[in-house]
Amino acid sequence: AQSVTQLDSHVSVSEGTPVLLRCNYSSSYSPSLFWYVQHPNKGLQLLLKYTSAATLVKGINGFEAEFKKSETSFHLTKPSAHMSDAAEYFCVVRPNTGGFKTIFGAGTRLFVKA
Amino acid sequence: SQTIHQWPATLVQPVGSPLSLECTVEGTSNPNLYWYRQAAGRGLQLLFYSVGIGQISSEVPQNLSASRPQDRQFILSSKKLLLSDSGFYLCAWSVPSGGPAETQYFGPGTRLLVL
Repeated sequence: AQSVTQLDSHVSVSEGTPVLLRCNYSSSYSPSLFWYVQHPNKGLQLLLKYTSAATLVKGINGFEAEFKKSETSFHLTKPSAHMSDAAEYFCVVRPNTGGFKTIFGAGTRLFVKA
Repeated sequence: SQTIHQWPATLVQPVGSPLSLECTVEGTSNPNLYWYRQAAGRGLQLLFYSVGIGQISSEVPQNLSASRPQDRQFILSSKKLLLSDSGFYLCAWSVPSGGPAETQYFGPGTRLLVL
């Protein structure tokens, strides 16, 4: 069975400090992995995706994520948080089984303090 | 460039009333289309997806149905709303590539409150 676990429901950082949002997945097949961001009452915006190419994936707004198969993790990082990064972040798995199965994590809300 | 529209943005409906939410995509042809529901404080759940006109697949049994009358139009419906249908409904589209690496692009969402 496939699943996604976002290990923190809330993360709080100070502006200018690093951000780490953790995601572990479980998939019987080589998955594609995504991170999306959602600002309040808005749709979702793609930050980055992993599709079996380079394990370190760079996305928009300075975010990046590293696919670690041995740890079944796909953590999202940013070296320096900005106030505009405050939002909800979703880790998403799409198993490589054909079909359209899409599994969202429960989300991590990021707070950025001035 | 491609854009995706959803309406209405907000909807308050009484229990037992019908529902129709509409989603349209511009600037692309033959997209894959998706309906998701986001319950308060939770992740998204895929409700329906469509790979072409009249082709609808349901991921979970529920009180809702979907239709795709035109290539770039996707409609979510219900004959009688339940309290549990409240939530944030998101439409998404992707360029068909036949694999899980397809990126889904999301609309602005419709917030539905059933009273």
